[in-house]
Amino acid sequence: AQSVTQPDIHITVSEGASLELRCNYSYGATPYLFWYVQSPGQGLQLLLKYFSGDTLVQGIKGFEAEFKRSQSSFNLRKPSVHWSDAAEYFCAVGGQNDMRFGAGTRLTVKP
Amino acid sequence: DAEITQSPRHKITETGRQVTLACHQTWNHNNMFWYRQDLGHGLRLIHYSYGVHDTNKGEVSDGYSVSRSNTEDLPLTLESAASSQTSVYFCASSERTSGRARINEQFFGPGTRLTVL
Repeated sequence: AQSVTQPDIHITVSEGASLELRCNYSYGATPYLFWYVQSPGQGLQLLLKYFSGDTLVQGIKGFEAEFKRSQSSFNLRKPSVHWSDAAEYFCAVGGQNDMRFGAGTRLTVKP
Repeated sequence: DAEITQSPRHKITETGRQVTLACHQTWNHNNMFWYRQDLGHGLRLIHYSYGVHDTNKGEVSDGYSVSRSNTEDLPLTLESAASSQTSVYFCASSERTSGRARINEQFFGPGTRLTVL
């Protein structure tokens, strides 16, 4: 079965700084990849997804992610973080029948 | 607007009791899912359904059951609640698509926080 690793449990960045959240996956075929964001007390919201095609994917709220097959990675980036980006971020990989989520990375934004 | 709702939002119960968590979606999605979220584990799939009368076990299905009698609802039942089932439960749904994608963007409900004492 597919699996996802998010190596960073907690990241703190200053407002206005750039952000990169790491995601590594394991899957034998071409994966379907997703990034979700969860604000406190809320459900998950899709930021972006990759199924095929251009390996650089643009999402909502100014986020982007790059699929690198050689590194089995799908890292999430944002050039300038806003205080409202503080949340938990989940990477997910779709296999044949279901999706597996990483353990999440909590983002704290310093003023 | 279409949405997915869960009820109750908070539930406290005792060990051994049967508990049912409701999930209702108005997206008219064929696919529905139940996850539990625990610190350090992210979301883990409990059960899922690809249509009416279809149910499948996920990676942590022991102690849980679901039934799908219509498109809109997928209730999750804990037959005999255990303290290890204290968690936040999320329901999600997605559109059926062609090809390999039973995998598609999932829309999540707001969650149910369950405490088993």
